[in-house]
Amino acid sequence: GQNIDQPTEMTATEGAIVQINCTYQTSGFNGLFWYQQHAGEAPTFLSYNVLDGLEEKGRFSSFLSRSKGYSYLLLKELQMKDSASYLCAVPSEGGATNKLIFGTGTLLAVQP
Amino acid sequence: DADVTQTPRNRITKTGKRIMLECSQTKGHDRMYWYRQDPGLGLQLIYYSFDVKDINKGEISDGYSVSRQAQAKFSLSLESAIPNQTALYFCATSDRTGELFFGEGSRLTVL
Repeated sequence: GQNIDQPTEMTATEGAIVQINCTYQTSGFNGLFWYQQHAGEAPTFLSYNVLDGLEEKGRFSSFLSRSKGYSYLLLKELQMKDSASYLCAVPSEGGATNKLIFGTGTLLAVQP
Repeated sequence: DADVTQTPRNRITKTGKRIMLECSQTKGHDRMYWYRQDPGLGLQLIYYSFDVKDINKGEISDGYSVSRQAQAKFSLSLESAIPNQTALYFCATSDRTGELFFGEGSRLTVL
């Protein structure tokens, strides 16, 4: 089966940089997604990596290493509004696209 | 207006009652999903549908059923609700790119 691991909680300071890691085990890899979810709200899409390397999008970047089954989300110049859960997700076994399996999420608290 | 709309947004019910959560979308996507979210457990897939005639079980389908009434509508039913079905339920849609678009969630409490 699939297994996705993320740290449960992290704390960082406003203005700093934080890296949220995700490791996964799956067959038929077909990309890795990161979503952001504020408390009580719906998850929203942040990034999608299908090839190895770093994808940069403003203050947020996402990295993927397929050989290591590893990804991270890098948040720069942290703002208080970045306090949220960050969810790592991969398509299910067999590489079936669009049937995403989610990790339990990393709750990030940004402190002044 | 939201592209993915869920009703009701909040519901309190009693054990044994039948409950239906409804989802409608204006994104024109073929693929629709129902997820459940519990604290510490993340999002778990209940059922998904890739088109009107396609229904598939997810990770935790026991105790739930679904109906895809049209491309734009996908409802989730709890035939006889039990307290451990208390959770936040999300409907989502996607096209073939894989990005999920979520509704605002339906908070269900079963007493």
